Amino acid sequence: DQQVKQNSPSLSVQEGRISILNCDYTNSMFDYFLWYKKYPAEGPTFLISISSIKDKNEDGRFTVFLNKSAKHLSLHIVPSQPGDSAVYFCAAEGAQKLVFGQGTRLTINP
Amino acid sequence: ETGVTQTPRHLVMGMTNKKSLKCEQHLGHNAMYWYKQSAKKPLELMFVYNFKEQTENNSVPSRFSPECPNSSHLFLHLHTLQPEDSALYLCASSQDIAGAGEQYFGPGTRLTVT
Repeated sequence: DQQVKQNSPSLSVQEGRISILNCDYTNSMFDYFLWYKKYPAEGPTFLISISSIKDKNEDGRFTVFLNKSAKHLSLHIVPSQPGDSAVYFCAAEGAQKLVFGQGTRLTINP
Repeated sequence: ETGVTQTPRHLVMGMTNKKSLKCEQHLGHNAMYWYKQSAKKPLELMFVYNFKEQTENNSVPSRFSPECPNSSHLFLHLHTLQPEDSALYLCASSQDIAGAGEQYFGPGTRLTVT
């Protein structure tokens, strides 16, 4: 059973607008959440994270929101830029392991 | 460049072959990981090494055999693989497994088993 789910396999957003990527998890023991970004032919690179004691973390154009009661987190990118086109993976940490979602392919259209 | 390199980048092998994947990290990290990414599936953790000791084997078939001679190098030895083992194999490292969150990934080895 998949503990971390990204239900949207793809998302298309116009340049300059907000991109919102969503992630749901089932295990309430997860205490740290991360977003990774992956370009073709490269490995995933860490983007932003949030601890379970917070509900928001912001880094420049990227903001991650955590709703523990709903077991849901989201990544907001604003304004979206063409270089943001990539696959985004949500990950949750528990018992010193990362559990990843399937990824969402974000395409930013000019 | 993330500081984690993997070779080869692409590998095609028959089911009777034996091959090895290599990973090297230049970050001074103590923990290293092997992941498998199949098409349209999440990254699956295979093995974890912390200070050269294996701390996790995520029910991986014995046809995959990891080796960690030191904290900077990690190998994945492959033998008698099946076509369903075709996938992207990613190596990662982190400072230690307590901080498993921020892992640094290599570019991966695209493996095709024929």
